[in-house]
Amino acid sequence: DIQMTQSPSSLSASVGDSVTITCRASQSISSWLAWYQQKPGKAPNLLIYEASSLHSGVPSRFSGSGSGTEFTLTISSLQPDDVATYYCQQYNTYWRTFGQGTKVEIK
Amino acid sequence: ELQLVESGGGLVQPGGSLKLSCAASGFTVSGNYMSWVRQAPGKGLEWVSVLYAGGSTFYADSVKGRFTISRDNSKNTLYLQMNSLRPEDTAVYHCARGRPGSSGCDDYWGQGTLVTVSS
Repeated sequence: DIQMTQSPSSLSASVGDSVTITCRASQSISSWLAWYQQKPGKAPNLLIYEASSLHSGVPSRFSGSGSGTEFTLTISSLQPDDVATYYCQQYNTYWRTFGQGTKVEIK
Repeated sequence: ELQLVESGGGLVQPGGSLKLSCAASGFTVSGNYMSWVRQAPGKGLEWVSVLYAGGSTFYADSVKGRFTISRDNSKNTLYLQMNSLRPEDTAVYHCARGRPGSSGCDDYWGQGTLVTVSS
């Protein structure tokens, strides 16, 4: 199985700050990576697919980059509505795997 | 409007069985790949299974041989038959639709149904 490792596991930043979350794959997954946002008690929402493509309706302050084994999700100007846990997911193989999540809070 | 509504969760004893349903509206289950993803209380997301439009199925090692994913096209519903349940299967189970044109990420999710395995 491909292992996905996110860092940090949590972060606290001020409104307006730029925030970056990293996701590393245990082997190359090309660009087959998605990012999801999950708010407490809610279902996950797709933010980014194929590493850098913004899903329909997602604010442009979210962006993704990377390929191979290292990927990043950036929130360019953190907003109160962005408080959530963020997960990366690889789909290079039929057996998908998620990262362990990064909890984002407002300082 | 696209919608996914799960049902069938509940309390079951270890070794027991449960069948989850995911009723879809606004699109056809048979025309998309569909997944089940679970989340244990206070934990992260865990991919469980996928059913492709062509009928191929894949399972996480943790559930292989115990869980079966299927669909009923006439009811536009996805299912997850869970047998030989273990306490570690306790989780909220979400169904999700594969993003059209993609090969493995999911663009619509249901709110989930809670499965508790306990004596």
